[in-house]
Amino acid sequence: GNSVTQMEGPVTLSEEAFLTINCTYTATGYPSLFWYVQYPGEGLQLLLKATKADDKGSNKGFEATYRKETTSFHLEKGSVQVSDSAVYFCALSDRTNAGKSTFGDGTTLTVKP
Amino acid sequence: ETGVTQTPRHLVMGMTNKKSLKCEQHLGHNAMYWYKQSAKKPLELMFVYNFKEQTENNSVPSRFSPECPNSSHLFLHLHTLQPEDSALYLCASSPERGDTGELFFGEGSRLTVL
Repeated sequence: GNSVTQMEGPVTLSEEAFLTINCTYTATGYPSLFWYVQYPGEGLQLLLKATKADDKGSNKGFEATYRKETTSFHLEKGSVQVSDSAVYFCALSDRTNAGKSTFGDGTTLTVKP
Repeated sequence: ETGVTQTPRHLVMGMTNKKSLKCEQHLGHNAMYWYKQSAKKPLELMFVYNFKEQTENNSVPSRFSPECPNSSHLFLHLHTLQPEDSALYLCASSPERGDTGELFFGEGSRLTVL
């Protein structure tokens, strides 16, 4: 079956530090890959996505590249802000599995001033 | 504003109460989902509806009863819950089950069972 493994947290960084949250996946088909973000007291919202190999998703300074050869989709940001403090979820959706979404366990990021 | 609205945002109930959670989406989507998010546990898919028909029930106890009267509304009826059912219940929608697009989540209903 499909699975998503992401870096365990919590991750604590100082403002303007570089962020990487690792995500690797296992899928039987050709999945689309997503990063969702959950701010305190809110639901999940899409941060970025990539639908095929070598695609780069980007939004709000965050980037992730779909690497089929390493089955990875690592999230990066060059300079984090306090407002980026949230829980980040890596996920995949696979058309060969009825479009079912599979989520990682989430990584909590805290950014300190 | 994601286009998916959940009410109530917070709910406290005793184990013998009956209550319902409501989800409404204004996105014209045809698939709707209930997820359970508990502390220190992965996100759990509970139910899936596609064009008002239930297509997935992930071995959810019968004390949770979903209802989907139309493609825009989804309910989760709750009765005789246990304290371990306390969690954030998230509703989501997508254009159609089987597409590979993103899910659109509501802000969740925080349930506490005493």
